Amino acid sequence: EPEVTQTPSHQVTQMGQEVILRCVPISNHLYFYWYRQILGQKVEFLVSFYNNEISEKSEIFDDQFSVERPDGSNFTLKIRSTKLEDSAMYFCASRPTALATYNEQFFGPGTRLTVL
Amino acid sequence: GEDVEQSLFLSVREGDSSVINCTYTDSSSTYLYWYKQEPGAGLQLLTYIFSNMDMKQDQRLTVLLNKKDKHLSLRIADTQTGDSAIYFCAESRGSGTYKYIFGTGTRLKVLA
Repeated sequence: EPEVTQTPSHQVTQMGQEVILRCVPISNHLYFYWYRQILGQKVEFLVSFYNNEISEKSEIFDDQFSVERPDGSNFTLKIRSTKLEDSAMYFCASRPTALATYNEQFFGPGTRLTVL
Repeated sequence: GEDVEQSLFLSVREGDSSVINCTYTDSSSTYLYWYKQEPGAGLQLLTYIFSNMDMKQDQRLTVLLNKKDKHLSLRIADTQTGDSAIYFCAESRGSGTYKYIFGTGTRLKVLA
């Protein structure tokens, strides 16, 4: 069964460094999302991406964040200058089409980002 | 506000039923979902309900939806120790993006 994959599973970085979190959505899916979950807290929406552009972003998704779909398979989240409060689990998700049954998003296993 | 609220903890004995409650905010949400998250793991879709339904049953899971009160519940029959996890409700919002707004999560502990 196709699934969303994410790499790395755990990333440790120093404050101020740039990180790139990678996701491979399910092929033929058209909508892509990033969410984050700070330890012990709820899952929060960051950004949605469709047709090679951001379709919606949250207040969390400031100028330090960017997303890209550099080729036909990868979907990346870049944090330019990491802060301690960026430490969280980051989930990627994808969805087939607007007409997909029950709008289900398929989630990856997550990347745990630790900023020291 | 945008918050989807859940009670934080629930403890039940193995074999009993568990009921996890959720209060959502957007009456225009078309689908509502229940996700399970085991320790250190990702998000697993358990079930969903369309907003024009009142109830949905799926094996041990029963979802009840009260649109008037914006209240959603998940009942797990014959709860097992393997059901111990955090349960998130989520609503699908936005025309086009259908982003998920997750609840605060309920930690279910099943006692043997």
